[in-house]
Amino acid sequence: EAGVTQSPTHLIKTRGQQATLRCSPISGHTSVYWYQQALGLGLQFLLWYDEGEERNRGNFPPRFSGRQFPNYSSELNVNALELEDSALYLCASSSPVSVAGLETQYFGPGTRLLVL
Amino acid sequence: KNEVEQSPQNLTAQEGEFITINCSYSVGISALHWLQQHPGGGIVSLFMLSSGKKKHGRLIATINIQEKHSSLHITASHPRDSAVYICAVVWGGSQGNLIFGKGTKLSVKP
Repeated sequence: EAGVTQSPTHLIKTRGQQATLRCSPISGHTSVYWYQQALGLGLQFLLWYDEGEERNRGNFPPRFSGRQFPNYSSELNVNALELEDSALYLCASSSPVSVAGLETQYFGPGTRLLVL
Repeated sequence: KNEVEQSPQNLTAQEGEFITINCSYSVGISALHWLQQHPGGGIVSLFMLSSGKKKHGRLIATINIQEKHSSLHITASHPRDSAVYICAVVWGGSQGNLIFGKGTKLSVKP
């Protein structure tokens, strides 16, 4: 069974540009989570999608947005990139869940975003 | 103030040693996760627990909800156990959310 996949593995952008990161969950999983891990900082919750809807978002500005497609894959968009957006962005998926975190989450390998 | 505190931040052990990593939290939680992150960044979920104790191979995780504390133990440690171990708590009422500790970097020497 294929795990969670993310693309691209690495992404280099300049300040002010937009970045789009993609995630494909494990087959059968409907919940997708996005996390940011900036250098020297711990993981931070960004967004949770389930059944195509945004269920919850972390303490991030509105320029961080995303969506979930009918096949449950997901996109994370970051607009007006800032230097501090440079980080590892991790996607995870889980079986259907009514409360985020109450099912085991399976993580993808991440996308390393560098903003110059 | 961090809602999830892990200790120690860094840990070096000799192969075969018994290892304990601690996690304390200050918020009410529904569950707690232990994750393992390898140097390349990949994360593996080790345990999810809401009470008591779970065991998988050489790994044991315990949680005391009243004391707001969890421990991850590794018996007979091996160099391949070298990784960052992250504690995450499920918080946030009806929607849920994961709040992560900053991780414990474990290095097991042969």
